[in-house]
Amino acid sequence: EIVMTQSPVTLSVSPGERATLSCRASQSVSSNLAWYQQKPGQAPRLLIYGASTRATGIPARFSGSGSGTEFTLTITSLQSEDFAVYYCQQYNNWPSLTFGGGTKVEIK
Amino acid sequence: EVQLVESGGDLVQPGGSLRLSCAASGFTFSTYAMHWVRQAPGKGLEYVSAISSNGGSTYHADSVKGRFTISRDNSKNTLYLQMGSLRAEDMAVYYCARRGPGYGSGWLDYWGQGTLVTVSS
Repeated sequence: EIVMTQSPVTLSVSPGERATLSCRASQSVSSNLAWYQQKPGQAPRLLIYGASTRATGIPARFSGSGSGTEFTLTITSLQSEDFAVYYCQQYNNWPSLTFGGGTKVEIK
Repeated sequence: EVQLVESGGDLVQPGGSLRLSCAASGFTFSTYAMHWVRQAPGKGLEYVSAISSNGGSTYHADSVKGRFTISRDNSKNTLYLQMGSLRAEDMAVYYCARRGPGYGSGWLDYWGQGTLVTVSS
């Protein structure tokens, strides 16, 4: 099983600042990586797939990069609605998907 | 508008059974693979099961293999998860989710709101 490790567990950021979230895979997943945002009491929402392609309706302040085993989600100029938990997910060996443990982005 | 609406979550005793349903609308259900993903209270996301668009292929995580069965009825635009021999560690919110379109996809582009399964005596 491919293990996904996210860091940090919690990220404290002030509104308007940049947030950088990391995700590492235990083995190469090529560019088969997605990012999701989840707010309390809500279902996850797809942000990024293919490591860097924004999903429909996702603002340009969200961007993804990386390939192989190292990936980054960057949120420029954090808005109040961006404070949430973010998960990465690999799909290199679909249907066996694995998710990272999540990074909580909180208000500093 | 794509909609996925889960139902069937309930309080069940350890060892019991439950069937979850997910009603799909707003897209051609029969052309998409579907997933069940769960989230234990305060925890992260865990893949449970997947099924191909025509139902001919099914997959289950090792943690539920032999106890859970995913199925679908394309005539009713509905996805199911039959859960048996339930354990305390199966307690979670269960989400159905649509696999994204296209060859090589594996991201989940639409999710339902989830249904809560509580396993307790």
